[in-house]
Amino acid sequence: KQEVTQIPAALSVPEGENLVLNCSFTDSAIYNLQWFRQDPGKGLTSLLLIQSSQREQTSGRLNASLDKSSGRSTLYIAASQPGDSATYLCAVEAAGNKLTFGGGTRVLVKP
Amino acid sequence: GAGVSQSPSNKVTEKGKDVELRCDPISGHTALYWYRQSLGQGLEFLIYFQGNSAPDKSGLPSDRFSAERTGGSVSTLTIQRTQQEDSAVYLCASSLVGTRGNEQFFGPGTRLTVL
Repeated sequence: KQEVTQIPAALSVPEGENLVLNCSFTDSAIYNLQWFRQDPGKGLTSLLLIQSSQREQTSGRLNASLDKSSGRSTLYIAASQPGDSATYLCAVEAAGNKLTFGGGTRVLVKP
Repeated sequence: GAGVSQSPSNKVTEKGKDVELRCDPISGHTALYWYRQSLGQGLEFLIYFQGNSAPDKSGLPSDRFSAERTGGSVSTLTIQRTQQEDSAVYLCASSLVGTRGNEQFFGPGTRLTVL
């Protein structure tokens, strides 16, 4: 059974610092990995999707890497801003198209 | 619409009552998913519809839960004889399977409270 873990569970940084969020998964037979952002009381916003054949994806200040063989992904957010405060979730898709989620990392960027 | 929509946004019900939650996927998306987010269990898969294929119901927690998708578009998740442990946020997602790695797009969710 696929298990997804996100460490740390919570993170607090001063504005301007780079954020590093970690995600690990136990079964490397995945189709893709997706990073989401969730604001309090809201749904999930897709940030980046990395297909299993890719090593990384970039969008603006966000960069996500994928090492499928070791079961790890890292989301980097450069030059953090208070507006980046949210919970970040990673999820992997394996056979069956359904996503298995990690527990999330709650991020607070202090002005 | 531009994104996935869900209704109602909030639902409060009494234990033992039935509830229906609605999801309108992104137009043209062939796949539709229901997930549940609760404090104790995190985000977990419930059911998946793809085109005219039989749905994958492997995540439904009990036979009190059922879902249908009419005309390949709108979906309704029904919970019969609700229990307090059913209280959670129910999220719907859609995707265009086979394109760009099956990126899933989520709706805002329905917060269900069972008293």
